[in-house]
Amino acid sequence: GAGVSQSPSNKVTEKGKDVELRCDPISGHTALYWYRQSLGQGLEFLIYFQGNSAPDKSGLPSDRFSAERTGGSVSTLTIQRTQQEDSAVYLCASSTRQTLHNEQFFGPGTRLTVL
Amino acid sequence: AQSVTQLDSHVSVSEGTPVLLRCNYSSSYSPSLFWYVQHPNKGLQLLLKYTSAATLVKGINGFEAEFKKSETSFHLTKPSAHMSDAAEYFCVVSDPTGTYKYIFGTGTRLKVLA
Repeated sequence: GAGVSQSPSNKVTEKGKDVELRCDPISGHTALYWYRQSLGQGLEFLIYFQGNSAPDKSGLPSDRFSAERTGGSVSTLTIQRTQQEDSAVYLCASSTRQTLHNEQFFGPGTRLTVL
Repeated sequence: AQSVTQLDSHVSVSEGTPVLLRCNYSSSYSPSLFWYVQHPNKGLQLLLKYTSAATLVKGINGFEAEFKKSETSFHLTKPSAHMSDAAEYFCVVSDPTGTYKYIFGTGTRLKVLA
């Protein structure tokens, strides 16, 4: 079956521009996570969506970052006024339900380069 | 608070020899622990997970890990390394307080020598 998909796979942008990254979770997965993988910071949590509940935004590094999830499925991560330190691989993951032991399934990531 | 520490940033082994990747955890709760592998330019793939059902956990591709509460460890092992095992490995603990978000170790890059 189809896994988690992300688009674009690569994005190069100029400093100050806005970017949108898309995630299509596995069908039927109610939990969706965004993580960032960067050289200096390793893998870090950004934001979490569960069904129709309010998202957990505690990992977003600044107010330039925002995300939404429409219809409980597709999610978009938006970075406004990009900075060079935003360069990283952005990973999306989904999970069937909210339990301690449920594994998360990861997409291939979007590599963002800010010039 | 939950955390994981991967004790080695790089490990090199010869093909056919055993692999040991070390992970220690810190958790206020009975933890849920995972090992993921990331091949170059690929997504993260689950190798195995500990869910308290058994302390010795077997995963894919011949990997296994043993949960040792007394040592707060969850080391990953494989009896015989294969060239295709060369990748980065992440030890992960699931945050039990609401979101179950993942808390990642810093990763261990495994190199397999011919």
